[in-house]
Amino acid sequence: DTGVSQDPRHKITKRGQNVTFRCDPISEHNRLYWYRQTLGQGPEFLTYFQNEAQLEKSRLLSDRFSAERPKGSFSTLEIQRTEQGDSAMYLCASSLFRDLDRGYGYTFGSGTRLTVV
Amino acid sequence: GENVEQHPSTLSVQEGDSAVIKCTYSDSASNYFPWYKQELGKRPQLIIDIRSNVGEKKDQRIAVTLNKTAKHFSLHITETQPEDSAVYFCAASTGGFKTIFGAGTRLFVKA
Repeated sequence: DTGVSQDPRHKITKRGQNVTFRCDPISEHNRLYWYRQTLGQGPEFLTYFQNEAQLEKSRLLSDRFSAERPKGSFSTLEIQRTEQGDSAMYLCASSLFRDLDRGYGYTFGSGTRLTVV
Repeated sequence: GENVEQHPSTLSVQEGDSAVIKCTYSDSASNYFPWYKQELGKRPQLIIDIRSNVGEKKDQRIAVTLNKTAKHFSLHITETQPEDSAVYFCAASTGGFKTIFGAGTRLFVKA
């Protein structure tokens, strides 16, 4: 296991098209997170899963965005009817969560850079 | 809502000098504060973290301090080297839930 993998690394799409990204977390990690990062900004939270359950979704996320983690392993993030404002780096991260009293650092993937033209 | 503010946005230091980056957070329930380093074109990587039951933590040339009363935490890098040049992000988390990131500090270390 070499870490968190994301595919594709780059995606160029026309406005209005749908895109789907994949994330494979570290195998023993039970938490998986999706973040979006634009140039000069910190990662912005989108959603996260514990095993296969989606526990929280950002209120900033429109209905065009959906994420799944069907078997508690890999996850997909789909953006429907893409807009130019969706252009960003989409980062996936995973962590091993044990209890609510502690916080845990993330291992990030290399990201998928989306360009909507 | 939850918010993490980070200062300065850009920091330039001479090699060998110290660098300090400061953050404040809004959610008083936050109890975990990680710091990430992101080099150009690469993923953010965890470099150090601190939990709310600890006031200070050190790892070689980097240290973090936390003031829960004031809701401030800081990253200190001593004896800076050119390879420390990167963007540094502070973050705050409550338990094992989502992590909120600051906007980042671009650190330049001049040789």
